[in-house]
Amino acid sequence: GAVVSQHPSWVICKSGTSVKIECRSLDFQATTMFWYRQFPKQSLMLMATSNEGSKATYEQGVEKDKFLINHASLTLSTLTVTSAHPEDSSFYICSARDRQIYNEQFFGPGTRLTVL
Amino acid sequence: AQKVTQAQTEISVVEKEDVTLDCVYETRDTTYYLFWYKQPPSGELVFLIRRNSFDEQNEISGRYSWNFQKSTSSFNFTITASQVVDSAVYFCALIDSNYQLIWGAGTKLIIKP
Repeated sequence: GAVVSQHPSWVICKSGTSVKIECRSLDFQATTMFWYRQFPKQSLMLMATSNEGSKATYEQGVEKDKFLINHASLTLSTLTVTSAHPEDSSFYICSARDRQIYNEQFFGPGTRLTVL
Repeated sequence: AQKVTQAQTEISVVEKEDVTLDCVYETRDTTYYLFWYKQPPSGELVFLIRRNSFDEQNEISGRYSWNFQKSTSSFNFTITASQVVDSAVYFCALIDSNYQLIWGAGTKLIIKP
């Protein structure tokens, strides 16, 4: 149980294009989903927290117009990197929290974004 | 403030040696949860253990063991008889009263054959 999927697992795009990453909880309802960014040889950095049906809460320094998050259902959250630039290249990881279990997050396998 | 410190940036040992990864945390909460995750080169996080603040019993799972000591705010992880497949980055993390994960910087473990 508690499986989270991410799609795509990797993506290469040209500078200026937008990229959408999907995060799905496959066997539970996720009232809250989290988006993390991880640069090489660094720890995970929380970008934003999204609650189903409401606007995401972004961490300080994260541009909300750049990283659009939508959590339209209890099983799906999307992160759209708008007008991507090479500095947006990173490993993006989502996690989901079960509505019944507040003290654990279940992680997706991550999406590696490369912007040329 | 909540904080997790993994002072060891990188550890390199020869296969079959035992190795301990250190984790020290800071929190003002009396109820909290501690985690260890493994991140192999593929990038996917692998959950290893969750421990709540009221359970100080040490845990053993095969070659893995964890030593939780509230007196020193530490939650150390030991791999016995290490194997090459144990090579990865290991993260210690804390869930606080806001139910957000606070991450350590990670320790890169290299097991040489």
